[in-house]
Amino acid sequence: DAKTTQPPSMDCAEGRAANLPCNHSTISGNEYVYWYRQIHSQGPQYIIHGLKNNETNEMASLIITEDRKSSTLILPHATLRDTAVYYCIVLNAGGTSYGKLTFGQGTILTVHP
Amino acid sequence: DGGITQSPKYLFRKEGQNVTLSCEQNLNHDAMYWYRQDPGQGLRLIYYSQIVNDFQKGDIAEGYSVSREKKESFPLTVTSAQKNPTAFYLCASKSGGPSNQPQHFGDGTRLSIL
Repeated sequence: DAKTTQPPSMDCAEGRAANLPCNHSTISGNEYVYWYRQIHSQGPQYIIHGLKNNETNEMASLIITEDRKSSTLILPHATLRDTAVYYCIVLNAGGTSYGKLTFGQGTILTVHP
Repeated sequence: DGGITQSPKYLFRKEGQNVTLSCEQNLNHDAMYWYRQDPGQGLRLIYYSQIVNDFQKGDIAEGYSVSREKKESFPLTVTSAQKNPTAFYLCASKSGGPSNQPQHFGDGTRLSIL
């Protein structure tokens, strides 16, 4: 599975959009991009995933570049409760690993009042 | 509401003792997973199961055992052979076999040594 690179930390003002970048330059054609977040002492929470098209759900939007080498998670109106560690994962869910998740260091997003 | 329930939230183990962590899901998911998370580190896969009565070792299975007798349950036993069991243990599940559907996690069990 391709490795990802994320900034270690980001800040965002409450009510503003939070844009979290992720580089995955070695992604292959059958690998999906997944985003999770983890609030301290809780289990990771699934946010969104996509293959090559942009995706949107009730939590966030996922923008994947045309070459698929990078993506951006957008939280449109950040709240204090969005403060968490955000993980970008690239995964071939249909491969022999059967979806083993490997979290890197992630991005610590801090939302300020 | 559907979800994954892990219990207990906190668990203490004495030297030489086996302890069992519970994981129950009512999402009708076929696949279930156990991960270990250490402070400042990512997830490491302990065991996974794609179907009832079948499971495979992950990357760090030594000192752990599992069973999958029911679709909704995937308990993890931390045996006395696991010399460094202090960690945050996470159970996850997902639908189907090899697919792009995401894994969903429980809220974890924090295991400490007395």
